[in-house]
Amino acid sequence: EPEVTQTPSHQVTQMGQEVILRCVPISNHLYFYWYRQILGQKVEFLVSFYNNEISEKSEIFDDQFSVERPDGSNFTLKIRSTKLEDSAMYFCASRDRGPASINEQFFGPGTRLTVL
Amino acid sequence: RKEVEQDPGPFNVPEGATVAFNCTYSNSASQSFFWYRQDCRKEPKLLMSVYSSGNEDGRFTAQLNRASQYISLLIRDSKLSDSATYLCAVNINAGGTSYGKLTFGQGTILTVHP
Repeated sequence: EPEVTQTPSHQVTQMGQEVILRCVPISNHLYFYWYRQILGQKVEFLVSFYNNEISEKSEIFDDQFSVERPDGSNFTLKIRSTKLEDSAMYFCASRDRGPASINEQFFGPGTRLTVL
Repeated sequence: RKEVEQDPGPFNVPEGATVAFNCTYSNSASQSFFWYRQDCRKEPKLLMSVYSSGNEDGRFTAQLNRASQYISLLIRDSKLSDSATYLCAVNINAGGTSYGKLTFGQGTILTVHP
């Protein structure tokens, strides 16, 4: 069964450093998402990406964040200068074409980011 | 008021019990509704989509009440393996365009004990 994969599973970084989180969505999917979940809190939407551009982003997704789909298979989230409060689990998700009402978003296993 | 709100629980029930969770949403432009299951430190996995007419999948029944803006999940004959956090998720179609962004509730913790 096709699945979304994410690397690394755990990333530890120093405050102020740049990190890149990587995702390989399911191959024929067209819509891509990043969500984050701070420990003990709810899953929060960060950004959606469709047709090689950001389609929607949340207030969390400020200038420190960027996304890219550099080669048609990987989908990356970059945090330019990490803060302590960026520590969270970051989930990538993807879904197929068609209305959002009927198409399941498939989530990857997540990258746990720890900022020291 | 939070966009999507759930009773955080925890719900502790014996095996075989029936348990129900509710989730309320505040935005009337909400278009589609889902229940996800999340095991500890794992990704959310879709349990059920929720349709206006209600839908059932084995021991699980989901219902939607648009007038009162809530959705529910009923689990019958609970199993130990049902222990998890249940997340309500809503796709809001404001302005006529939706790329599928999901807004999640904070989750309801269920523990099923022998």
